[in-house]
Amino acid sequence: DGGITQSPKYLFRKEGQNVTLSCEQNLNHDAMYWYRQDPGQGLRLIYYSQIVNDFQKGDIAEGYSVSREKKESFPLTVTSAQKNPTAFYLCASAVGAQSYEQYFGPGTRLTVT
Amino acid sequence: DQQVKQNSPSLSVQEGRISILNCDYTNSMFDYFLWYKKYPAEGPTFLISISSIKDKNEDGRFTVFLNKSAKHLSLHIVPSQPGDSAVYFCAASGSGNTPLVFGKGTRLSVIA
Repeated sequence: DGGITQSPKYLFRKEGQNVTLSCEQNLNHDAMYWYRQDPGQGLRLIYYSQIVNDFQKGDIAEGYSVSREKKESFPLTVTSAQKNPTAFYLCASAVGAQSYEQYFGPGTRLTVT
Repeated sequence: DQQVKQNSPSLSVQEGRISILNCDYTNSMFDYFLWYKKYPAEGPTFLISISSIKDKNEDGRFTVFLNKSAKHLSLHIVPSQPGDSAVYFCAASGSGNTPLVFGKGTRLSVIA
């Protein structure tokens, strides 16, 4: 059963700690994306990767880092430099960079106190 | 500056009636448009899309209309059902390897 998994569903961290959010896909998609959703803000692009070992900054990359060492995996690290890390984080994938339709994971709700 | 705008944060419709969700865009390079549906605490799911070479695309109860001259698209849901209650995101993309640009979403409530 193909899809995108994000774990955990809920994550709690203390301020000042880095935290890594997992995103795995078994759809054999080349492109992967990280978004952040805040109330009333829609989906804002953090980072995206169109191929293994390559990634680009999105609109709100500051305070975040990513890696793409494997096609199936695109983990997102929320660093202590991110000023407002509490949010709902969504990972998505697409067949390729020029494929418009993106498939989303279930999301991770990160709360930093 | 927002390139994709959904100016209505929320919309309430009676069950069985038509729901019309609107979306405006500013970038004339956008050539493909999508609508996603999102329930709380879940990821968005793809609903319907339209290429800029068309002005209408229909899939069951869902129809998307595109007016390129006005840079406007709309999603019609007929008839509306309580299960349609969700947040709907409009998204757009230009040619090439550009990621989707999303609007802020419209929360649709279908009242039984």
